[in-house]
Amino acid sequence: AQTVTQSQPEMSVQEAETVTLSCTYDTSENNYYLFWYKQPPSRQMILVIRQEAYKQQNATENRFSVNFQKAAKSFSLKISDSQLGDTAMYFCAFREWSNNNDMRFGAGTRLTVKP
Amino acid sequence: DSGVTQTPKHLITATGQRVTLRCSPRSGDLSVYWYQQSLDQGLQFLIQYYNGEERAKGNILERFSAQQFPDLHSELNLSSLELGDSALYFCASGGGLAKNIQYFGAGTRLSVL
Repeated sequence: AQTVTQSQPEMSVQEAETVTLSCTYDTSENNYYLFWYKQPPSRQMILVIRQEAYKQQNATENRFSVNFQKAAKSFSLKISDSQLGDTAMYFCAFREWSNNNDMRFGAGTRLTVKP
Repeated sequence: DSGVTQTPKHLITATGQRVTLRCSPRSGDLSVYWYQQSLDQGLQFLIQYYNGEERAKGNILERFSAQQFPDLHSELNLSSLELGDSALYFCASGGGLAKNIQYFGAGTRLSVL
């Protein structure tokens, strides 16, 4: 079974600085998807960024980028120029290649951006 | 706005009762997924429906059941409720044009007293 591990329960960063959230996963599959979701205090789950395992290029979405290391089964999220609105729980998630599979979530990292 | 609608937003009920949570997926999405998020924890997958049929089951209790109707909306039924069932219940939809993405509703917060 696939497992997703987020080893940092809580992190903090000063506004405008850069922070990296860690995620590792375990799978025997070769093709899969990885995601980062953000859950602000409103509790809404918001997709931040996704990565297809077959793509070597790391995904980027504005201030958010990932460092995908397939061999190491590592998928970290870098947030540049942190903003107060980035304060949230961040969940790493894994999904198999098949369209009809559920996602496995990590336990989450609570990020606080300090002014 | 994700396009996924969940109702109600909040539910307060007593132990032993039964409740129904409703989810309308995004237009064009055939799959509906239900997740449970207990306080300060990650999301646990409960069950998935695809075009009206059950497709995958996770850690769903026997007291819980779900179905997906011909119009693709889904209902999650929780019965014989216990205090430990208090949680945020999310519905997500997918399987449309963006096949590998699940879009989440705002969740239903269930409080069992």
